[in-house]
Amino acid sequence: EPEVTQTPSHQVTQMGQEVILRCVPISNHLYFYWYRQILGQKVEFLVSFYNNEISEKSEIFDDQFSVERPDGSNFTLKIRSTKLEDSAMYFCASSENGFGYTFGSGTRLTVV
Amino acid sequence: EDQVTQSPEALRLQEGESSSLNCSYTVSGLRGLFWYRQDPGKGPEFLFTLYSAGEEKEKERLKATLTKKESFLHITAPKPEDSATYLCAVSNRANDYKLSFGAGTTVTVRA
Repeated sequence: EPEVTQTPSHQVTQMGQEVILRCVPISNHLYFYWYRQILGQKVEFLVSFYNNEISEKSEIFDDQFSVERPDGSNFTLKIRSTKLEDSAMYFCASSENGFGYTFGSGTRLTVV
Repeated sequence: EDQVTQSPEALRLQEGESSSLNCSYTVSGLRGLFWYRQDPGKGPEFLFTLYSAGEEKEKERLKATLTKKESFLHITAPKPEDSATYLCAVSNRANDYKLSFGAGTTVTVRA
């Protein structure tokens, strides 16, 4: 069964550093998303991406965050100048038509 | 703002003991209601999408139903491998397919 692949599975970074989280969506999917889940809290929407541009973003997704689809297969989330409160599981998801997302296994980001 | 409330927060069942999980939602225009299963340290795994009141879907021991205000996930004769957190989420027609999640119900099935 097709999968969404995320790397790395765990990233530890110093506060103030930049991190890039990587995702390989399912190949024929057109809609791409990033969500995050702080430990013990709800899964929260960050951003959706369609037709090579951001289609919607949440209040969480401020200037510190950016997304890119650099080569037609990868989908990245960059966090500039990380803060302690950015520590969370970050999930990438993709969808063929906007419904029935497939999520990746996540990247656990720990900011120290 | 879309609201999704799940109850109970946790559910402990004996193997074979059927039960139901509740998802109450408030959304201005429902595009779809989704159920996901999440195992510890993993991403949500898609189970069902329901689109309109009265709709029902089944998969193995799971059955999801939908009314205008809530959805139920029925677990029939659960097995230990059904232990997981079950997440409910809604998509609003006004938004670009983003999902608003509930906090989940953590189900533990004892052998």
